Amino acid sequence: SQQGEEDPQALSIQEGENATMNCSYKTSINNLQWYRQNSGRGLVHLILIRSNEREKHSGRLRVTLDTSKKSSSLLITASRAADTASYFCATDAGSGTYKYIFGTGTRLKVLA
Amino acid sequence: NAGVMQNPRHLVRRRGQEARLRCSPMKGHSHVYWYRQLPEEGLKFMVYLQKENIIDESGMPKERFSAEFPKEGPSILRIQQVVRGDSAAYFCASSPDRQTNYGYTFGSGTRLTVV
Repeated sequence: SQQGEEDPQALSIQEGENATMNCSYKTSINNLQWYRQNSGRGLVHLILIRSNEREKHSGRLRVTLDTSKKSSSLLITASRAADTASYFCATDAGSGTYKYIFGTGTRLKVLA
Repeated sequence: NAGVMQNPRHLVRRRGQEARLRCSPMKGHSHVYWYRQLPEEGLKFMVYLQKENIIDESGMPKERFSAEFPKEGPSILRIQQVVRGDSAAYFCASSPDRQTNYGYTFGSGTRLTVV
């Protein structure tokens, strides 16, 4: 079964608006990561949030983690056309294991 | 620091041929992970290697697929007798240690097309 599932599958917004993507997972985790993938390119690591953290910021990115609900959200504020990409969450299986399980991603399109 | 280097970027193989994908980890990284991404899907773990050791190959098909990370040189993912279903993007990531407390650094991937 899928460990990480993103929601929505696709999102289209206007430049300047905020974009929120959600990730749900099934088992206990040690940390959760968000990655961005531009079309036809590799994955870029955005943020890692540990299980004992509730919120983390990096520039225009804000990630929250609710371990009781087994969910995380990625908020991109004041979106730009360059934010157009697919966004994936990745979860480990707890205990700092190396094996990460990726969801199917949210495809974000920011319209200029 | 050149990051994780994968080559080739694109590879076309006919059914039945062999595909060799190379991955050079970041400088100072001795842990390499291979993932496969099918179209419109997330990445799926294939294999985890350290220098000269396969630590976990639980995500790799038992037949036709093999991986190595020799003492010198890049990590190699080898697919023998490729079939159409092997068409995918193959990504390599590296980390300095087993505990990925800082996230993976991924390469740009090799897109394999089997015709």
